[in-house]
Amino acid sequence: SQKIEQNSEALNIQEGKTATLTCNYTNYSPAYLQWYRQDPGRGPVFLLLIRENEKEKRKERLKVTFDTTLKQSLFHITASQPADSATYLCAPRGPGNTPLVFGKGTRLSVIA
Amino acid sequence: NAGVTQTPKFRVLKTGQSMTLLCAQDMNHEYMYWYRQDPGMGLRLIHYSVGEGTTAKGEVPDGYNVSRLKKQNFLLGLESAAPSQTSVYFCASSRGTSGMNEQFFGPGTRLTVL
Repeated sequence: SQKIEQNSEALNIQEGKTATLTCNYTNYSPAYLQWYRQDPGRGPVFLLLIRENEKEKRKERLKVTFDTTLKQSLFHITASQPADSATYLCAPRGPGNTPLVFGKGTRLSVIA
Repeated sequence: NAGVTQTPKFRVLKTGQSMTLLCAQDMNHEYMYWYRQDPGMGLRLIHYSVGEGTTAKGEVPDGYNVSRLKKQNFLLGLESAAPSQTSVYFCASSRGTSGMNEQFFGPGTRLTVL
């Protein structure tokens, strides 16, 4: 069955640095991959979508890459701020035409 | 627009009791989903619906039933609650095929089964 892995449960970085989060998937090739942000006690909020034929997608300080050969997506936040502290979820589309499959998330803490 | 709303926000049940969680969306979305989120397990799909009158099983459907009688509402039922169903439940909706459309999430329902 498909497996989604986010590189670490928690990541601490200094304010102003670039945060890089990793999402690996196995046993299939999703056509789309989405990233969400979740704050404590709240539902996830959509950030970015990238298609399999797109290498990179940007939105303000966010950048997502999609490497179908490595079966990996990287999520970058440049010039990170304490307000970026949250859990970030990777969600590739499931096999066939099935719904998104969410990773367990990486909890990012940006330290001032 | 309210987006996706969930009722109730909190609930405590005793083992064996039943309850229904209500999800409503005002965005005219075709797709709706129920997830549960547990520490260390991430978001897991329970059931979903691709349109009014349709439902399908997700990753962890056992012990739950759903109904989508109206396009804007998606109900999640627990017929006989068990402590293993203690969790935070999230409802979500999307315009179309979930892979290429963002999902909009509700605020969640925190359920405790004693």
